[in-house]
Amino acid sequence: NAGVTQTPKFRVLKTGQSMTLLCAQDMNHEYMYWYRQDPGMGLRLIHYSVGEGTTAKGEVPDGYNVSRLKKQNFLLGLESAAPSQTSVYFCASSYAASGRARMGTQYFGPGTRLLVL
Amino acid sequence: AQSVTQLDSQVPVFEEAPVELRCNYSSSVSVYLFWYVQYPNQGLQLLLKYLSGSTLVKGINGFEAEFNKSQTSFHLRKPSVHISDTAEYFCAVGYGGRRALTFGSGTRLQVQP
Repeated sequence: NAGVTQTPKFRVLKTGQSMTLLCAQDMNHEYMYWYRQDPGMGLRLIHYSVGEGTTAKGEVPDGYNVSRLKKQNFLLGLESAAPSQTSVYFCASSYAASGRARMGTQYFGPGTRLLVL
Repeated sequence: AQSVTQLDSQVPVFEEAPVELRCNYSSSVSVYLFWYVQYPNQGLQLLLKYLSGSTLVKGINGFEAEFNKSQTSFHLRKPSVHISDTAEYFCAVGYGGRRALTFGSGTRLQVQP
């Protein structure tokens, strides 16, 4: 049981290049999330998904796109990278919660460190 | 908009001393509270959570937190810290109806020998 894995671990891009970050989970979780972590700002939600084929915008979605074609995978794309997207990106997943406990515990991947020059 | 405030960006403490990391959130009718820990170059790991019931929540590694609705706080405490507790700690809040969490800016706990 690997939990949440992220590929790649580290990447350097030039401004204007594109790339895709891959997140995979083997816990059969319904929900998946992409966050970015910047110094002094905690984690900010980029996009999230509540099920296969469904995505939604988070707090800082501009410049990113996502896709969830399979339940276990959640892809984050940068079409034209900018230096402001230099960050550490974390993927997380959780079960769908119902009733009083509507917030499931989120399980995080190890992160992808992205540097845009 | 919902917000989470961690008042201290860094907390230095000596080994075996007690520690409290503070967290305040913007008020809401239905709120769920979490503390996560991040060790260097790793992802976030859940320490504890409050969903309902007893306001004193116990977590892993000897940490506990108390939900105080009137003060909209969820402070994290440990009576005696170890060097291995050196890490960054994040408070997070979930609000009824939203599935994502809102995170605080983090508190770096530095345990010194």
